[in-house]
Amino acid sequence: GESVGLHLPTLSVQEGDNSIINCAYSNSASDYFIWYKQESGKGPQFIIDIRSNMDKRQGQRVTVLLNKTVKHLSLQIAATQPGDSAVYFCAENRRSQGNLIFGKGTKLSVKP
Amino acid sequence: EAEVAQSPRYKITEKSQAVAFWCDPISGHATLYWYRQILGQGPELLVQFQDESVVDDSQLPKDRFSAERLKGVDSTLKIQPAELGDSAMYLCASSSRADTQYFGPGTRLTVL
Repeated sequence: GESVGLHLPTLSVQEGDNSIINCAYSNSASDYFIWYKQESGKGPQFIIDIRSNMDKRQGQRVTVLLNKTVKHLSLQIAATQPGDSAVYFCAENRRSQGNLIFGKGTKLSVKP
Repeated sequence: EAEVAQSPRYKITEKSQAVAFWCDPISGHATLYWYRQILGQGPELLVQFQDESVVDDSQLPKDRFSAERLKGVDSTLKIQPAELGDSAMYLCASSSRADTQYFGPGTRLTVL
């Protein structure tokens, strides 16, 4: 079935390095994508979003890239900090449906 | 900063008992969602409200689950009777439009 998934279930990086978390989606009708950060025992926290008419969007220390040709989404975190350690989910939204479809998540561990 | 409120944060119950979860969305958000998240997986939509109306409950196990949002503001999700497989995190989210969703802290349910 159509789904949103992640290439890597775990990612370990050194503090100060850049992190890249990848996500693949299979539904070409998806027109809105969101990255969430979820710390243990907490609800998902909105990080950044991007619409299908864009291929790049930047926030504070984060950048999301969208490649519609290969249906790929990535989250780049600059100068990764220990506080960035969490599970990261990408989610897709099809405007006609309204609900989010989540992938399984990538656990990011930051080594001091 | 406005947040989605949920209570209780934790609930332990025995199977066959009834449980209820409460959610208060961000003020002014017309759309409210209930998700279930099994450990290690992404959230999955149970029900979506637009104001007081249900717009999607296709994934809600209606034989035991019910949800209401009588005045179009706060919402209650009920399970009766609870089963062992219902142990999960129950997340509430809200949005002012059908895209960017903001999540509450969740209710961790354990069924014994």
